[in-house]
Amino acid sequence: KNQVEQSPQSLIILEGKNCTLQCNYTVSPFSNLRWYKQDTGRGPVSLTIMTFSENTKSNGRYTATLDADTKQSSLHITASQLSDSASYICVVSDPGSQGNLIFGKGTKLSVKP
Amino acid sequence: ETGVTQTPRHLVMGMTNKKSLKCEQHLGHNAMYWYKQSAKKPLELMFVYNFKEQTENNSVPSRFSPECPNSSHLFLHLHTLQPEDSALYLCASSLTSGWTDTQYFGPGTRLTVL
Repeated sequence: KNQVEQSPQSLIILEGKNCTLQCNYTVSPFSNLRWYKQDTGRGPVSLTIMTFSENTKSNGRYTATLDADTKQSSLHITASQLSDSASYICVVSDPGSQGNLIFGKGTKLSVKP
Repeated sequence: ETGVTQTPRHLVMGMTNKKSLKCEQHLGHNAMYWYKQSAKKPLELMFVYNFKEQTENNSVPSRFSPECPNSSHLFLHLHTLQPEDSALYLCASSLTSGWTDTQYFGPGTRLTVL
């Protein structure tokens, strides 16, 4: 069964610090991988999208990496801000599945002052 | 957030009630989706509409009934729900239902079934 596993489940960091969130997937075939940010009480918002041929992609202080060989992705957040507090969801596209997207459970990040 | 709107934002209903959730997208997209998000579980796809035609029904109980009158509007009609149906219901849209198109989500409706 195609799956997307994220770690850690939750994370607390101090404002200004960096952090890295992990995503491991077993989806095959694989087409692309997205990271979404979901603020509390809001819908997810797309941060990055990478195809299997891309190794890294940045969006401001967010940098996503992808290793298609080991089926791992990470989201690195630099100089964290209080507004980064949210759930970060890794989503992998599987052309063979219903709706095409396989969602991870997300990592809940809390940035403290 | 103005791209995809959902109403109401919060809903409390009894198991014998009938209610409807509404979703509207202003992005000119042709595909719309309903998802269920429960605590500590991944988003669960419920229904997919592409050009007003339902293309996926992901084994959803019949107490949930979708309606898509046009490409901009999507409804989820609810009747005789169970307490375990309490969750955040998210609507999304994308240009098409293809796997290359990014889905844009609404803010969700927080549903509580008593």
